[in-house]
Amino acid sequence: GAVVSQHPSWVICKSGTSVKIECRSLDFQATTMFWYRQFPKQSLMLMATSNEGSKATYEQGVEKDKFLINHASLTLSTLTVTSAHPEDSSFYICSATGLAGQPYEQYFGPGTRLTVT
Amino acid sequence: KNEVEQSPQNLTAQEGEFITINCSYSVGISALHWLQQHPGGGIVSLFMLSSGKKKHGRLIATINIQEKHSSLHITASHPRDSAVYICAVRPRANTDKLIFGTGTRLQVFP
Repeated sequence: GAVVSQHPSWVICKSGTSVKIECRSLDFQATTMFWYRQFPKQSLMLMATSNEGSKATYEQGVEKDKFLINHASLTLSTLTVTSAHPEDSSFYICSATGLAGQPYEQYFGPGTRLTVT
Repeated sequence: KNEVEQSPQNLTAQEGEFITINCSYSVGISALHWLQQHPGGGIVSLFMLSSGKKKHGRLIATINIQEKHSSLHITASHPRDSAVYICAVRPRANTDKLIFGTGTRLQVFP
């Protein structure tokens, strides 16, 4: 089946620094990638949708300048949390759809746990 | 009211029991997903269906489009089935985004 990886799986950073999270589709071309955020014991919250080669579409309430998303190739999207603060600590998950499997199927990455101290 | 409702929110079972998790939605959809999230956090897509029934091992998913309802069944449950099960729908009006239910936390005891 189609595989999506994320790197790193967990990261600890200090307030004020920036953190980059990578999402890769390993065996298919991902035309669309989604970035989610999940707080403990809550469901996934969509942050943004990114299509290869174009600007990401952010959900209402998500700061574009805070969460920079780049989808430079059909296999890689990155989420950069800029000037991180403790409230940005969360579990970030990406998913991808594209030229694999069934139409509409979304393949999820394993997630990245971010802790900002 | 959420567009996707799951029940129950929490479920405990003894190993070997038959388990049913329900999902009701209020929008027209093109597909419904059942996802599994283990305590480590990673999400696995179990099923995607738009009609009828699908079976994979001990897992069965059914959907009734007219009633806007889907069920996930686990036969002969096992402690390793302990996880959060999430129902998500793809609205007909939008082919990209998913609307997620709040999840059902399942614990299976030996």
